[in-house]
Amino acid sequence: DQQVKQNSPSLSVQEGRISILNCDYTNSMFDYFLWYKKYPAEGPTFLISISSIKDKNEDGRFTVFLNKSAKHLSLHIVPSQPGDSAVYFCAASARRGGSNYKLTFGKGTLLTVNP
Amino acid sequence: ETGVTQSPTHLIKTRGQQVTLRCSSQSGHNTVSWYQQALGQGPQFIFQYYREEENGRGNFPPRFSGLQFPNYSSELNVNALELDDSALYLCASSSPTGGIENEQFFGPGTRLTVL
Repeated sequence: DQQVKQNSPSLSVQEGRISILNCDYTNSMFDYFLWYKKYPAEGPTFLISISSIKDKNEDGRFTVFLNKSAKHLSLHIVPSQPGDSAVYFCAASARRGGSNYKLTFGKGTLLTVNP
Repeated sequence: ETGVTQSPTHLIKTRGQQVTLRCSSQSGHNTVSWYQQALGQGPQFIFQYYREEENGRGNFPPRFSGLQFPNYSSELNVNALELDDSALYLCASSSPTGGIENEQFFGPGTRLTVL
């Protein structure tokens, strides 16, 4: 039973355009959501996160939107750059005492930004 | 500031053998989590160690065990290796003090191949 789903295995966009990566979850106990990006031969790198009490969090070119009623979140990258090409993982956590415990990951979306 | 390091980078074992993977946490982090990432999948939580005690476990059999040392480094031990244990093993460190440091920061991983 996959509790975090990324239904698009891959996405291709032009440099300068917006990239939108989507993620759905089924477990209503999740209260914290994160995006990681992963380059080949490296571990996942933390990108941005959002608590379930918010519906938007922005950090530079990266914005995460959370729709709790739909159990859906998305990551927007504007403008997209070739260096953004990587696998993006959506992850969710049911926090304990304010700290991230077990992260449940989706299968990832491979983003390719074409020059 | 030193990031999360893991050793070895790659490892080849045969079915039935035992393996030990090592992780050094990021400076200032006292919590270590281990994940298994099979090919084409997202990372799956194995267990977490906090102050040398297991702090929670995912859906992995007892032949997956771990240790955390007083300097917060950690080991993952897998006994009676099976072919399905072939995967990238990721270590992540964090510190439950709130803020950005609360996030889990990953090492580059150990690629284990079981023949």
